[in-house]
Amino acid sequence: AQSVTQLDSQVPVFEEAPVELRCNYSSSVSVYLFWYVQYPNQGLQLLLKYLSGSTLVKGINGFEAEFNKSQTSFHLRKPSVHISDTAEYFCAVSESETSGSRLTFGEGTQLTVNP
Amino acid sequence: KAGVTQTPRYLIKTRGQQVTLSCSPISGHRSVSWYQQTPGQGLQFLFEYFSETQRNKGNFPGRFSGRQFSNSRSEMNVSTLELGDSALYLCASRSVPGKGTDTQYFGPGTRLTVL
Repeated sequence: AQSVTQLDSQVPVFEEAPVELRCNYSSSVSVYLFWYVQYPNQGLQLLLKYLSGSTLVKGINGFEAEFNKSQTSFHLRKPSVHISDTAEYFCAVSESETSGSRLTFGEGTQLTVNP
Repeated sequence: KAGVTQTPRYLIKTRGQQVTLSCSPISGHRSVSWYQQTPGQGLQFLFEYFSETQRNKGNFPGRFSGRQFSNSRSEMNVSTLELGDSALYLCASRSVPGKGTDTQYFGPGTRLTVL
């Protein structure tokens, strides 16, 4: 069975500063990796996903993530954050084609961008 | 194209009652999954439906059930509600199941409060 650990439950940063949200996963098989964002009182929106190929993945809103197989990590980064990036961010994995829609999520990281 | 819609958005019930939540997937999407989100347990997979059949099920008691109709709309039902069932219930749709590469699109959720 797979598991996901988000290493920081809360990350406060100042506007225009860079940010990294850390995610580690555990699985005995190959995985697909995702980052979702959740704004207050809303559902989840996909930021980016890693399926195969290049380990650097670019997503929406200027976010990117790097897949590191040896460290089983998939950290999310943004070079300069805005107030509007304040939200909760979830890292998720799905194990294989056969697991279908079953996503396993991390506990979430609350990103707070201060002026 | 309209997104995933969930009704109702908010619901208040008392212990022992039952509740039915509804989800309409994105037009053309045939797979619907349900997730429960709570502060204590985070995001947990409930089940997935495709072609009116349950394909995958999470680790929840039998009080949690679901179904899918021929138009791909899905409902989930929780019987004999407990205080711990208070949560945000999220529905996600994707075009076809069994493909981990397919993006899941989430609805805004139904906030269930059990008193």
